[in-house]
Amino acid sequence: QLQLQESGPGLVKPSDTPSLTCTVSGASISGSSYYWAWIRQSPGKGLEWIGSVFFSGSTYYNPSLKSRVTISVDTSRNEFSLKLRSVTAADTAVYYCARQLGTVVANFDYWGQGTLVTVSS
Amino acid sequence: DIQVTQSPSSLSASVGDTVTISCRTSQTINNYLNWYQQKPGKAPELLVFPASSLQSGVPSRFSGSGSGTDFSLTISSLQPEDFATYYCQQSYSAPTTFGQGTRLEIK
Repeated sequence: QLQLQESGPGLVKPSDTPSLTCTVSGASISGSSYYWAWIRQSPGKGLEWIGSVFFSGSTYYNPSLKSRVTISVDTSRNEFSLKLRSVTAADTAVYYCARQLGTVVANFDYWGQGTLVTVSS
Repeated sequence: DIQVTQSPSSLSASVGDTVTISCRTSQTINNYLNWYQQKPGKAPELLVFPASSLQSGVPSRFSGSGSGTDFSLTISSLQPEDFATYYCQQSYSAPTTFGQGTRLEIK
């Protein structure tokens, strides 16, 4: 059974660059043809796709966040990560990682439980 | 970006009722429309994709329809576990975008 588990810093300060990690179990990231995605959910903006990564390292991002986001993959640890630079209160959200069924645009069939990131001084 | 608009934003119904949630996109997306169910404190779960195929394990009382710009999710004979928030998502054009959600509450 595929499982995804996010981990993150919880509380961060404005202008910080938090990193979140998604650990995948039950399947190998490098043994599949799926993309792996980060999605966030906030009361103000609802569900927002952040970006996705392939096991090769190929990435693509939401243009609205592209300048501040880096997503990377570590196949040896079977995990992928999100870095979000220069955060503000508007980045406060629950961050989910998910498996993406397809390439550039697709749906998401497996999700982690989510990790709350709160930006506050 | 393609805008995705759901209606209504909230809905009250009783166990056994049939309800329909609508989703409209700002441009045609063929049938690249997906539906998710989210319960409090949980991640969204994929129900229907694209437009009308049920994800494995989803009860047959859920059905999706539509194409172009207008789509709907119908839940027949509502069960207690169906009271949740439902989201649609277009997967036709990058960036993928979601509707704002429809909260289904027990009357």
